[in-house]
Amino acid sequence: GAGVSQSPRYKVAKRGQDVALRCDPISGHVSLFWYQQALGQGPEFLTYFQNEAQLDKSGLPSDRFFAERPEGSVSTLKIQRTQQEDSAVYLCASSLGGYGNEKLFFGSGTQLSVL
Amino acid sequence: GQNIDQPTEMTATEGAIVQINCTYQTSGFNGLFWYQQHAGEAPTFLSYNVLDGLEEKGRFSSFLSRSKGYSYLLLKELQMKDSASYLCAASGAGSYQLTFGKGTKLSVIP
Repeated sequence: GAGVSQSPRYKVAKRGQDVALRCDPISGHVSLFWYQQALGQGPEFLTYFQNEAQLDKSGLPSDRFFAERPEGSVSTLKIQRTQQEDSAVYLCASSLGGYGNEKLFFGSGTQLSVL
Repeated sequence: GQNIDQPTEMTATEGAIVQINCTYQTSGFNGLFWYQQHAGEAPTFLSYNVLDGLEEKGRFSSFLSRSKGYSYLLLKELQMKDSASYLCAASGAGSYQLTFGKGTKLSVIP
């Protein structure tokens, strides 16, 4: 596609529900990142994929967070048993190669509100 | 780890020049990114500095001093559409992740 696409744009969940957030990166981009952005803060790294391989998941806050990219394209971030502190914007970004110094193309994010 | 510091808010007048500073402390440093983020939208790439010095790109310029752990973004001939948050982000040597600052919210007033 023309850019990074994320869905849904907004998600409201009751505490304890599971949610799945989807990211469709730019076609052909090797690298895919998930970041979490709280209100008024900068994005914080969650996890990184190079093609289908998850090379870094050091930023995932707990074992309730799980990400996958099974065919090296679309990625899903799943949060189990959501809690209020999970409320944030979840940003997906992709880059062309597998290098750490490339510019990132971000999606518009999924705004998650946990009630 | 990395620590990024930038002012929370700035206000400037349309047509003026504004400089947004960013300091970083890092155990390993590769380069420094600037991104622009309008409210409710995706961050978009502005610049990437690896070497010391000033890089100019139209109305926007970015400066880096590796020895001082310091960067700034210079915006000239400010326009109302420049009202946004400006995010400073450091890339670490041998790491894929970026460490972002909290962002500087710039308000351009008539």
